[in-house]
Amino acid sequence: DIVMTQSPDSLAVSLGERATINCKSSQSVLYSSNNENYLAWFQKKPGQPPKLLLYWASTRESGVPDRFSGSGSGTDFTLTISSLQAEDVAVYYCQQYYSIPHTFGQGTNLEIK
Amino acid sequence: QVQLVQSGGEVKKPGASVKVSCKASGYTFSIYGITWVRQAPGQGLEWMGWISVHNGNTDYAQKFQGRVNMTTDTSTSTAYMDLRSLRPDDSGVYYCARVRWGKSDFWGQGTLITVSS
Repeated sequence: DIVMTQSPDSLAVSLGERATINCKSSQSVLYSSNNENYLAWFQKKPGQPPKLLLYWASTRESGVPDRFSGSGSGTDFTLTISSLQAEDVAVYYCQQYYSIPHTFGQGTNLEIK
Repeated sequence: QVQLVQSGGEVKKPGASVKVSCKASGYTFSIYGITWVRQAPGQGLEWMGWISVHNGNTDYAQKFQGRVNMTTDTSTSTAYMDLRSLRPDDSGVYYCARVRWGKSDFWGQGTLITVSS
């Protein structure tokens, strides 16, 4: 199984500041035939289902604000929130869908400083 | 609009089985798969498996092999997840989601399963 490791586990950022969450996979999730990284980012708030933010590592899902961006390739990925808003308080998860099982990272708890 | 509506929460005794339904609407059911993810209390997201609605093929996480069965009914656009031999650590919220090329874009509201004697 591909192990997904996120850092940090918890993060406190001031409103309007940048938040950065890292995700590392135990093996590459870059599919050479199409040059796509099989990596997604989700936002999870209590009592709500996960919300897809980004897929193919950096493609923003429809309706997701452009302050959310993704970068990276191969085994190292980053989710960046350029200017933190109060409604961004949540737990963020990366997930690889390169191979079965489609494993998630352990989550990063994002709070307001 | 795309919607996935799941069945209500249940309380089960250890050793019992539970079947969670996920009714889809607002899209062509057969061209997407359905994946199931659970979240135990205070824990992270755990991928359980997925089913291709088109051909019924399934892939399950090794942890659930032999205990889980995922099916679909195309006549009602409903997916089902059946989990057997329940244990207390199976308690949690179970989610279904529409999936295509691995991308899980629409999710059900979640179903709380409590396993307790």
